[in-house]
Amino acid sequence: AQSVTQPDIHITVSEGASLELRCNYSYGATPYLFWYVQSPGQGLQLLLKYFSGDTLVQGIKGFEAEFKRSQSSFNLRKPSVHWSDAAEYFCAVGPNDYKLSFGAGTTVTVRA
Amino acid sequence: DVKVTQSSRYLVKRTGEKVFLECVQDMDHENMFWYRQDPGLGLRLIYFSYDVKMKEKGDIPEGYSVSREKKERFSLILESASTNQTSMYLCASNGEQETQYFGPGTRLLVL
Repeated sequence: AQSVTQPDIHITVSEGASLELRCNYSYGATPYLFWYVQSPGQGLQLLLKYFSGDTLVQGIKGFEAEFKRSQSSFNLRKPSVHWSDAAEYFCAVGPNDYKLSFGAGTTVTVRA
Repeated sequence: DVKVTQSSRYLVKRTGEKVFLECVQDMDHENMFWYRQDPGLGLRLIYFSYDVKMKEKGDIPEGYSVSREKKERFSLILESASTNQTSMYLCASNGEQETQYFGPGTRLLVL
């Protein structure tokens, strides 16, 4: 069965500091991996995805993520956080008959 | 750009009412999904559809049904709304490499 764990429920980071969000997954083969961002009251927006090839993936808004098969991880990073990055972030893995499994999410607070 | 729209952003209904949530996508995607989102629980799949008139139960289908009469439209139905169905409901469709594209969500309050 596929599953995703996001160990950090809430992270607070200063504006301009770096950010790393952790994601660990369980999947029986080579996974498709995704990071989504959700601003308050909005739907989920795709930040980036990995399905094959280069294990370092670049996304929108200056985010990147690295797939590490040996650690079953797909951590999200941003070198310098902006106040607009305050949101909830979800990691997802799949597919399983078209379906994705989502983590419980990490809320990011950005302090001035 | 993929566009997924949901019929309402906010809904207030009374216990026992029949509630319809509608979702439309404009990318000719085969697969569509309904999730509910609750704090600390992430997204939980209610139902999904892989073709017109085809559906499969997700992880939490109890109390819900769905309808897909046209490829672009996927409706979620609460047959008799209850207070424990107060939640955020998200619709999605998926394209290449199983990438899911989400609508803006419907926040439902059942009184």
